[in-house]
Amino acid sequence: QKEVEQNSGPLSVPEGAIASLNCTYSDRGSQSFFWYRQYSGKSPELIMFIYSNGDKEDGRFTAQLNKASQYVSLLIRDSQPSDSATYLCAVTYTGGFKTIFGAGTRLFVKA
Amino acid sequence: ETGVTQTPRHLVMGMTNKKSLKCEQHLGHNAMYWYKQSAKKPLELMFVYNFKEQTENNSVPSRFSPECPNSSHLFLHLHTLQPEDSALYLCASSSHDGTGAYEQYFGPGTRLTVT
Repeated sequence: QKEVEQNSGPLSVPEGAIASLNCTYSDRGSQSFFWYRQYSGKSPELIMFIYSNGDKEDGRFTAQLNKASQYVSLLIRDSQPSDSATYLCAVTYTGGFKTIFGAGTRLFVKA
Repeated sequence: ETGVTQTPRHLVMGMTNKKSLKCEQHLGHNAMYWYKQSAKKPLELMFVYNFKEQTENNSVPSRFSPECPNSSHLFLHLHTLQPEDSALYLCASSSHDGTGAYEQYFGPGTRLTVT
């Protein structure tokens, strides 16, 4: 059973701080890793994807992947109240169509 | 229209009704997905289609019947649903090149209430 685990939160950070969101996955055959943001009552919105070990930066967001530890994280720098949402980690497997989603971490950025 | 569209956005139906959800993607993708999202639960994959062929059926009850007439359109036909089927139904699309699926883009969802 392939699994993706996330701390449900809520994670509360002050405005301007760095928010760190973590995700672990169970299958070493994992190929692609995604972070989605979902506001209450809305559909998931892709923030970042990462395929290779290391860091990938896009604006205030940095995704970090460590395949040896089966760990992927998302850092949000200079957090804003508008970043308050649920963040979903997702993993797909080599050759597969199936994407496994974590249950999500709720982030709350206090103004 | 751009991205992934879904209709209707809201649907209330009785347990004996038959209704259909529609999804259309304008991204040139070849794979389309149906997901169910219930309160406080992870996204549950229901069906996957690649180039109109169903590749995944995640043990979904037969009261949910998918249809994919082409790689841009996806339907979910509903009949004799149960109250526990009330949820947000999300459609998504992605590219798939044979080595794996790329990032998925979601439609706005249909909020379904079964009475």
